[in-house]
Amino acid sequence: AQRVTQPEKLLSVFKGAPVELKCNYSYSGSPELFWYVQYSRQRLQLLLRHISRESIKGFTADLNKGETSFHLKKPFAQEEDSAMYYCALSRRGATNKLIFGTGTLLAVQP
Amino acid sequence: DAGVIQSPRHEVTEMGQEVTLRCKPISGHDYLFWYRQTMMRGLELLIYFNNNVPIDDSGMPEDRFSAKMPNASFSTLKIQPSEPRDSAVYFCASSLSGTGANVLTFGAGSRLTVL
Repeated sequence: AQRVTQPEKLLSVFKGAPVELKCNYSYSGSPELFWYVQYSRQRLQLLLRHISRESIKGFTADLNKGETSFHLKKPFAQEEDSAMYYCALSRRGATNKLIFGTGTLLAVQP
Repeated sequence: DAGVIQSPRHEVTEMGQEVTLRCKPISGHDYLFWYRQTMMRGLELLIYFNNNVPIDDSGMPEDRFSAKMPNASFSTLKIQPSEPRDSAVYFCASSLSGTGANVLTFGAGSRLTVL
């Protein structure tokens, strides 16, 4: 069964500090991993996907199949990064159940 | 394109009443998803459609929930009868098959409060 675990409901950091939002998954096949973000009063939107290997707004995420993780990282947090972050998993190459984790609220303090 | 349009944005109703949530996907998108968001469980997939056909409804919590997609531009999620535990934000999302199939465009959500 597909499962996504985000162990932290809330992560509070100071501006300029490094950020790591944890995501672990369980899936027996070939997964496709995503990070979606919901800023205050905005719609949930895609932040990045592992197959793109991009850095978006300074965030990166590397798929570690050995540890079944897809942690989201940013070296220096900004106040505008404060938002709800969801990790999501799907079967690679197919539109299928996009399963989301329970989300982590990132609060960046000034 | 105005994006995915959901209505109503807010609904307050009493236990036992019927609730209907509506969604207009992005024109041309062939996948439509209904999700429920709560603090405790995060985002849960309820059901999704492909070309107006329900593909997987295993996330629908119970028979009180039903969803339809009569055409490519409209879908409804109905709860009858509603209960306080149904209080949540319900999101509709759509996507286009192909390389962007799992890149979902979400609506603004419908916040449901059942008293």
